[in-house]
Amino acid sequence: GAGVSQSPSNKVTEKGKDVELRCDPISGHTALYWYRQSLGQGLEFLIYFQGNSAPDKSGLPSDRFSAERTGGSVSTLTIQRTQQEDSAVYLCASSLNPSPTGELFFGEGSRLTVL
Amino acid sequence: DAKTTQPTSMDCAEGRAANLPCNHSTISGNEYVYWYRQIHSQGPQYIIHGLKNNETNEMASLIITEDRKSSTLILPHATLRDTAVYYCIVRNPNTGKLIFGQGTTLQVKP
Repeated sequence: GAGVSQSPSNKVTEKGKDVELRCDPISGHTALYWYRQSLGQGLEFLIYFQGNSAPDKSGLPSDRFSAERTGGSVSTLTIQRTQQEDSAVYLCASSLNPSPTGELFFGEGSRLTVL
Repeated sequence: DAKTTQPTSMDCAEGRAANLPCNHSTISGNEYVYWYRQIHSQGPQYIIHGLKNNETNEMASLIITEDRKSSTLILPHATLRDTAVYYCIVRNPNTGKLIFGQGTTLQVKP
């Protein structure tokens, strides 16, 4: 597709379950970013990928959160043993490269609700 | 990562210019200033960016002070569709990551 695609768009899960969120970046974009946005808040950086490696994981809130990227393309964010405070919109963005002048293109996000 | 400070909210009359200020007093010489906006329930949308010089595109103008410690985003003729949260961001030059603050909620009124 032409833009960053995320799935699922909405996910409702029970506390304690694991969830996987998927991001398909724009074709050819080597840099990929995950963000989290809780209700009424700004975007919180989670992790950055350059290719398949993650040189900056500084924003992951706990060891229940992990992410991987394969083939320099699709990325999956996994949250284990979900808690209610994990409820948020998870946004993915990609850019052609990590240059400070390249535009980040955002997807529409995956809304996670933990009951 | 440099921190930015913006007013929490602003109002603007439709058809008038909207001037959104931002302070980034700890910005480093190689860090760019970016502006994004987020309309309710959508992903953030790029507006404009700059380093030292003033910049203009089809959406907006960006005025950066000579000392680079502050900037102003100008929407020349605001419309109701410009109602959104506007984020001023200083971008990490090594990883390219954007660190978002709380932004300014701009309400354009008829």
